[in-house]
Amino acid sequence: GENVEQHPSTLSVQEGDSAVIKCTYSDSASNYFPWYKQELGKRPQLIIDIRSNVGEKKDQRIAVTLNKTAKHFSLHITETQPEDSAVYFCAAPGGTSYGKLTFGQGTILTVHP
Amino acid sequence: DAGVIQSPRHEVTEMGQEVTLRCKPISGHDYLFWYRQTMMRGLELLIYFNNNVPIDDSGMPEDRFSAKMPNASFSTLKIQPSEPRDSAVYFCASSLGVGRQDTQYFGPGTRLTVL
Repeated sequence: GENVEQHPSTLSVQEGDSAVIKCTYSDSASNYFPWYKQELGKRPQLIIDIRSNVGEKKDQRIAVTLNKTAKHFSLHITETQPEDSAVYFCAAPGGTSYGKLTFGQGTILTVHP
Repeated sequence: DAGVIQSPRHEVTEMGQEVTLRCKPISGHDYLFWYRQTMMRGLELLIYFNNNVPIDDSGMPEDRFSAKMPNASFSTLKIQPSEPRDSAVYFCASSLGVGRQDTQYFGPGTRLTVL
């Protein structure tokens, strides 16, 4: 099955700085890579995703890049704000698991005012 | 749409008791997932259904755990007997399942405490 590794496990930045979270996956057949944000005590919610036919996708202050050759993808948050503080999860489907996602271990992002 | 609905939101029980968690997926979604989240183990997939049929239950920790989906709008996750190590937040999620790639929408979760 798919194996997803996520780094770093914790990330602390000053407000206004950029934050980058990286994930690697094992199954070369994976073709969909979502990122979820989970605030304290809340449910995980999708913030951005990328399909394998593109290398980068942006949505305001967040962007995701994908390198299929190296089998890694990254979340970039620019001009961080305190409300960006949360746990972020990456995920990948794997090649044979229809509908299923394997999640990374999560990154606790803290943005200091 | 109300989103994925889970009940109860909080459950406190004593070791050995039966616990039943409930989930109503988003109408029209073909896939339903049960996850468990703990600090130590992160977000773990327990089981998932496609069109009410269990597809992969390899994440179910042991025979004390069982899940059913009798119809497209309802699923249960049962723990019998419960143990303190089952304490966690249990999330239900659903997705359209178009092709193999689709957004999973999570419910608010059930926080289970087993004393």
